[in-house]
Amino acid sequence: NAGVTQTPKFQVLKTGQSMTLQCAQDMNHNSMYWYRQDPGMGLRLIYYSASEGTTDKGEVPNGYNVSRLNKREFSLRLESAAPSQTSVYFCASSVISANEQFFGPGTRLTVL
Amino acid sequence: DQQVKQNSPSLSVQEGRISILNCDYTNSMFDYFLWYKKYPAEGPTFLISISSIKDKNEDGRFTVFLNKSAKHLSLHIVPSQPGDSAVYFCSTRASGSRLTFGEGTQLTVNP
Repeated sequence: NAGVTQTPKFQVLKTGQSMTLQCAQDMNHNSMYWYRQDPGMGLRLIYYSASEGTTDKGEVPNGYNVSRLNKREFSLRLESAAPSQTSVYFCASSVISANEQFFGPGTRLTVL
Repeated sequence: DQQVKQNSPSLSVQEGRISILNCDYTNSMFDYFLWYKKYPAEGPTFLISISSIKDKNEDGRFTVFLNKSAKHLSLHIVPSQPGDSAVYFCSTRASGSRLTFGEGTQLTVNP
């Protein structure tokens, strides 16, 4: 089992460009999450999907959209990237929304 | 409103000694507490957890203590090893809700 995989590992964008971060899990988990990690801020939830077909905003959703493509895949889209979105992005999954989460290796995004 | 706080951004300990990482929370509805460990360039991994019905949970060198009256959680690592050097995140949840994470503490264990 690969667990939670994320692509790409690194990305550099110019302000205003768009991109989609991909995430997939092979653990048959129902719930999936997107976090960003910034120095001194810990892990902040951007969006989550409690189950296939549902998505909800987390703590810092502005500037992002998500798609729960199927049970395995949950993508994060930046429509018009801003320097404030420079961060490390982690995808995670869990059996149900209140359980222990399993994290992917992260995507390091820089917006110039 | 930061519901989970780790007030020490960093901690440095000698190999073989005890490491104590602390976490405070504000919401008395939190009923499950977890510690995650994160190495550079990797995602966080689950380390140990404790339910609010307990005050201590032990797993090898790692012990988590919960003081509900003080709304305080701590992780003890004994003995500390250089491989324990990582960022440790405290996280909590109220029943049926999502996890909330603290800011993290960078632990450095010196040989």
